Amino acid sequence: GQQVMQIPQYQHVQEGEDFTTYCNSSTTLSNIQWYKQRPGGHPVFLIQLVKSGEVKKQKRLTFQFGEAKKNSSLHITATQTTDVGTYFCAGGGNYGQNFVFGPGTRLSVLP
Amino acid sequence: DVKVTQSSRYLVKRTGEKVFLECVQDMDHENMFWYRQDPGLGLRLIYFSYDVKMKEKGDIPEGYSVSREKKERFSLILESASTNQTSMYLCASSLISGTLAKNIQYFGAGTRLSVL
Repeated sequence: GQQVMQIPQYQHVQEGEDFTTYCNSSTTLSNIQWYKQRPGGHPVFLIQLVKSGEVKKQKRLTFQFGEAKKNSSLHITATQTTDVGTYFCAGGGNYGQNFVFGPGTRLSVLP
Repeated sequence: DVKVTQSSRYLVKRTGEKVFLECVQDMDHENMFWYRQDPGLGLRLIYFSYDVKMKEKGDIPEGYSVSREKKERFSLILESASTNQTSMYLCASSLISGTLAKNIQYFGAGTRLSVL
């Protein structure tokens, strides 16, 4: 079955440094979603990418979907302590069907 | 705002007990999901349902069953709880839509279950 991998598993950065997490699927995806889970919280939707090569930005966050639609990345510029949490990618998945979540990357930001 | 409510934040049960985890969503979503979350393993899908009385097995259905008698409610049942079912359980819901943009999953706060 479909497998979604993420690297790294953990990342510790100094506040102000950049951070990137990578997501790779064993199969071609129709779309990919990214979620953030704060410590003690639940996953919250960040963004969805659908098109091959798509790039989307949300303030300091940049999301990319690979040309082959098998990988994706999330890049945070100049991390802040509010960025702390676990970032999950989820590979879909046609309309309404379940997504397969990656294991997540836990980000720690040292002030 | 979409609200997904799980009946308990924390639950302690004994081995062999029958356990019910309840989830209710208020946005008339067709899809509902149950995941368990364990450190280093991310979110693993147990069961999902795309309509009332419909259910599909996810990746790890063994030891679990589900019930969806009403559209807004999706229950996860542990027929005979075991210690390896100690985990965080997350419920989620989403729309079925012809527009991909609509299939965002909304999660509940989670139930941390300890089986002793």
